[in-house]
Amino acid sequence: QSALTQPRSVSGSPGQSVTISCTGTSSDVGGYNFVSWYQQHPGKAPKLMIYDVSKRPSGVLDRFSGSKSGNTASLTISGLQAEDEADYYCCSYAGSPYVFGTGTRVTVL
Amino acid sequence: EVQLVESGGGLVQPGGSVTLSCAASGFTFSTYWMTWVRQAPGKGLEWVANIKEDGGEKYYVDSVKGRFTISRDNAENSLYLQMNSLRDEDTAVYYCARVALRSSWYDYWGQGTLITVSS
Repeated sequence: QSALTQPRSVSGSPGQSVTISCTGTSSDVGGYNFVSWYQQHPGKAPKLMIYDVSKRPSGVLDRFSGSKSGNTASLTISGLQAEDEADYYCCSYAGSPYVFGTGTRVTVL
Repeated sequence: EVQLVESGGGLVQPGGSVTLSCAASGFTFSTYWMTWVRQAPGKGLEWVANIKEDGGEKYYVDSVKGRFTISRDNAENSLYLQMNSLRDEDTAVYYCARVALRSSWYDYWGQGTLITVSS
């Protein structure tokens, strides 16, 4: 049950795109299409942004997209905006347990 | 409106025990898996435990097995986390979250309750 690996931080200017990777193993990310992504602003509860690798809940803008290749999932934020500055966590089903990623701080320059 | 409200946080001595509660409203509680997720100060999210709709299946992260117990009372629309033999590293904000129907993601979260383990 090791945490999924994410870059510590990514940054971009307003309007640019950033991509966050989430690397696991064949026992979690690679073994199931059950990867979700959460956005967390400081002092707030996490918010679901992507589920089942690439699906968006209602209310989440289409600037957020997800994908997966092998043992690595990715979240792309297009048209970066100031309000996107937050921490982002991936999460994968891994059999009975679940495992979160280490988290990525997105900074809007 | 779906609401999840945690309570029971506070300061606990190492080796001590505490029970967290999560009051659910705005949905049919008995038809959803529920989960506890924690976040140590300045750290990332960590999945702690899941419980099936009827309480018949429970799963835990290895670090809390044998010390924490997840349970629920569907008549009271409440989720619980009994925490025993607490350690410094259990210090965290504990969130309860709803697992979306027949799925593997968490669609609603509470605001969290802080447990501080310290002498």
